[in-house]
Amino acid sequence: DQQVKQNSPSLSVQEGRISILNCDYTNSMFDYFLWYKKYPAEGPTFLISISSIKDKNEDGRFTVFLNKSAKHLSLHIVPSQPGDSAVYFCAAKGNAGNMLTFGGGTRLMVKP
Amino acid sequence: GAVVSQHPSWVICKSGTSVKIECRSLDFQATTMFWYRQFPKQSLMLMATSNEGSKATYEQGVEKDKFLINHASLTLSTLTVTSAHPEDSSFYICSAPDRVRGEQYFGPGTRLTVT
Repeated sequence: DQQVKQNSPSLSVQEGRISILNCDYTNSMFDYFLWYKKYPAEGPTFLISISSIKDKNEDGRFTVFLNKSAKHLSLHIVPSQPGDSAVYFCAAKGNAGNMLTFGGGTRLMVKP
Repeated sequence: GAVVSQHPSWVICKSGTSVKIECRSLDFQATTMFWYRQFPKQSLMLMATSNEGSKATYEQGVEKDKFLINHASLTLSTLTVTSAHPEDSSFYICSAPDRVRGEQYFGPGTRLTVT
C-alpha cells in the first residue's frame, strides 16, 4: 500500500506559467514533508519542506502548501523555467527517525 | 552546504562478481544512512537503513545476504552487492540525515550495470 502518492506521472507547462505538482498521503503519523528534484543519473536535490504545523512555506519561486485535513500537499513553481524540467518527488517523514517515504514522482517538462 | 558523496558513480561488472559502493558524508557525521534503489522511470525504493555500530535494518523483500551493508564509521557506509546478476542492474542512491541542519542529503548515485 503506497503511503505517499503522486497521481500525475507527468506534467507539461509553458515557460513563465505556474507548475503545480500534487501529492497525497495516507499515514496521519507523517509530520514533515519534503520535495526533491531529480535529474536522470543524479541523486535527488532537496527543494523545500514543510512541517505539519504550517500550511504554507515559500522559498523564492517555490511554494509548498499543506492541507492536513485532506492529507494533500502541493508544490507550486512560478514562474516555471525550462531548467525546472526534472522529476519531482514528494517525501514524508514521521516523528520517529529519519526514514523518508517517497511518492512515485512527477516528471515536469517546461517548454520554452 | 552539506555534501554526501558516492563512489563509484558508475560501474560495470560481470555476473557472479561482487561490487562495493561507498557513501560518505563529507562535512557532518551520520549515525544513520539510507540506501535506495531506483529502477528506470520509477520511484526511489528504500532498501535498508545503515546504522553506525550496529546491524543494518533491511526493508521487506531485500535480501540481506545479497546486499551487505557496513556502517564503518560516522561518515562512511558501504553497500556490497554480492554475486551480482543482471537484474541487480540499477541506480543506487544513499542519503544521510544531518541532525544539526535537520535535513537529509542525498548522494549523486551509483549506476550499476551487470553483464
